[in-house]
Amino acid sequence: EVQLVESGGGLVQPGGSLRLSCEASGLMFNMYWLNWVRQAPGKGLEWVANIKEDGSEKKYVDSVEGRFTISRDNAEMSVYLQMSSLRVEDSGTYYCVSDIWGTGGAFNVWGQGTEVSVSS
Amino acid sequence: EIVVTQSPVTLSVSLGERATLSCRASQSLGRNVAWYQQKPGQAPRLLMYGVSIRATGVPGRFSGSGSGTDFTLTISSLQSEDFAVYYCQRGVTFGGGTIVEIQ
Repeated sequence: EVQLVESGGGLVQPGGSLRLSCEASGLMFNMYWLNWVRQAPGKGLEWVANIKEDGSEKKYVDSVEGRFTISRDNAEMSVYLQMSSLRVEDSGTYYCVSDIWGTGGAFNVWGQGTEVSVSS
Repeated sequence: EIVVTQSPVTLSVSLGERATLSCRASQSLGRNVAWYQQKPGQAPRLLMYGVSIRATGVPGRFSGSGSGTDFTLTISSLQSEDFAVYYCQRGVTFGGGTIVEIQ
């Protein structure tokens, strides 16, 4: 069974840092782009960042550029999101997602999410 | 930057009725349009991809259509388990969602 399991969320003060992790199982991890998608409380979905299979390409939504860094360790079958200079508006559920079944970029595998709360 | 707008924001439907959800983009989205269903407390679930292809396990009452900048998700006969929030997506852009609620 394919699984993506996120961890690392929590409560942090504005300006603080947090590192999210996503561990995969049941898939050829080094064959897929991995993404982070977030959802603020009561709001819609927002793509945050993604990383190519070999880590050579990384893309970010403008609002996190320069503050967040996505990385991956294919040997550990994990992807990470290092979040710095956190803002209240970064609060929400962060999902690790991927297209592993060739659905044209649609996200067919989602983790259960990890909660991030940025508050003083 | 592509902007994707979903309408209506909230759709009130009775059990057994047809629901039609709209997704409109500021520029052509091609064929890689997807739809997701999200229920409270759960991660989104892929429903449709490639505009009109149902994901594995999705019932036949769900169908997708459209081209260019206008796309539609249709639920032919609402079942109780279909009341949820629905999002369209293309690439890294999501629409704002449509809440399908019981009338």
